[in-house]
Amino acid sequence: AQSVSQHNHHVILSEAASLELGCNYSYGGTVNLFWYVQYPGQHLQLLLKYFSGDPLVKGIKGFEAEFIKSKFSFNLRKPSVQWSDTAEYFCAVNPENSGYSTLTFGKGTMLLVSP
Amino acid sequence: NAGVTQTPKFRVLKTGQSMTLLCAQDMNHEYMYWYRQDPGMGLRLIHYSVGEGTTAKGEVPDGYNVSRLKKQNFLLGLESAAPSQTSVYFCASSMRFRRGGGETQYFGPGTRLLVL
Repeated sequence: AQSVSQHNHHVILSEAASLELGCNYSYGGTVNLFWYVQYPGQHLQLLLKYFSGDPLVKGIKGFEAEFIKSKFSFNLRKPSVQWSDTAEYFCAVNPENSGYSTLTFGKGTMLLVSP
Repeated sequence: NAGVTQTPKFRVLKTGQSMTLLCAQDMNHEYMYWYRQDPGMGLRLIHYSVGEGTTAKGEVPDGYNVSRLKKQNFLLGLESAAPSQTSVYFCASSMRFRRGGGETQYFGPGTRLLVL
């Protein structure tokens, strides 16, 4: 079964600092990859996704992620974080040959941005 | 267009009690899912449905049952609640799987369940 590993459980940054959250998955075939965000007290929202084409994907609110197939990674980046980026971030994978859209999630990374 | 809605928002149960969580979506999505979210565990798939009248087990199905009698609704049942089922439950929906499509799942606001 596939699994998703997020390297940091908690990240604390000051405003304007750069962000990179790591995500690795274990699956040898073609995958669709997602980053979701959960703001405090809210439901999950899609930040960005990769399913084909350019491995550098841009999402909402200035986030981007790069799919590196050889490293089985899909790291999330933002050049300059804001206080409003405080949230929990989840990486998720959907194997293409599953035939379904089910997602396997990582355990999440809690980001705290101090003003 | 409400998206995905869940009822109730919060519930307290005693061990052994039963309850049903309701999920509704108005996006005409084929697929629907139930997840539970626990601290440090991320989201884990309980059951899912790929169409009206069909259901399938996910990663953590024990202690739960589901039904999809109507395309827009997906019910999650707990027949005999246990403290281990204290969690936040999220419903999601998506369009049907298309190879190369990377269908997005849309999530509801969650139901917070406490089992005493």
